[in-house]
Amino acid sequence: QLQLQESGPRLVKPSETLSLICSVSGGNIASTNYYWGWIRQPPGKGLEWIGNIYYTGSTYYNPSLKSRVTISVDTSKNQFSLKLSSVTAADTAIYYCARGPRLGIRRDFDSWGQGTLVTVSS
Amino acid sequence: QSALTQPPSASGSPGQSVTISCTGTSNDVGGYNYVSWYQQHPGKAPKLMIYEVSKRPSGVPDRFSGSKSGNTASLTVSGLRAEDEADYHCSSYAGINNLVFGGGTKLTVL
Repeated sequence: QLQLQESGPRLVKPSETLSLICSVSGGNIASTNYYWGWIRQPPGKGLEWIGNIYYTGSTYYNPSLKSRVTISVDTSKNQFSLKLSSVTAADTAIYYCARGPRLGIRRDFDSWGQGTLVTVSS
Repeated sequence: QSALTQPPSASGSPGQSVTISCTGTSNDVGGYNYVSWYQQHPGKAPKLMIYEVSKRPSGVPDRFSGSKSGNTASLTVSGLRAEDEADYHCSSYAGINNLVFGGGTKLTVL
């Protein structure tokens, strides 16, 4: 059974870089059938797509975050990661990693990690 | 990019049907048949309930159905049950490998 687990610092200072890792177990991140993504949810608010990556390293980012986001993949460790630079309090959110089926232009996510709350504060 | 518009809340009694709307533009909901719906219970991760407007993943009860008309997609939950009480989020492909979500709707089972 596929499992995704987010890990990383829970507290980040303003202007610094938020870094998270998603560890994938029970499935191969190098599968040609899936892409991998990051989604966030500010406390009490809706979901916001951050970006996706395919195992080849191809990435797609939310235009509103693109200048600050980097998503990368490490197939040897079956992990992918998120870096968000120059964070502010507005970046405080639960960050989820997820898997989506790579079929045409489908962009839904059929398996999710439990999420991790990252707080931006000095 | 703007988020899709969902009503903040919806409610219904057990056994009834309730419909939640998700309004976008011709650049997202209206332009593609790639609308998804997620159910999220408090403190839990979202769960995919509907994809490609009206398709259900394996294991999702057929009480959940999706549709679309123009720039508005809808999720209908029939035969409401207590466990359906949750937040529901819609999303849509928005072109050029872009994805947009709605603000979420809190469904209360009275």
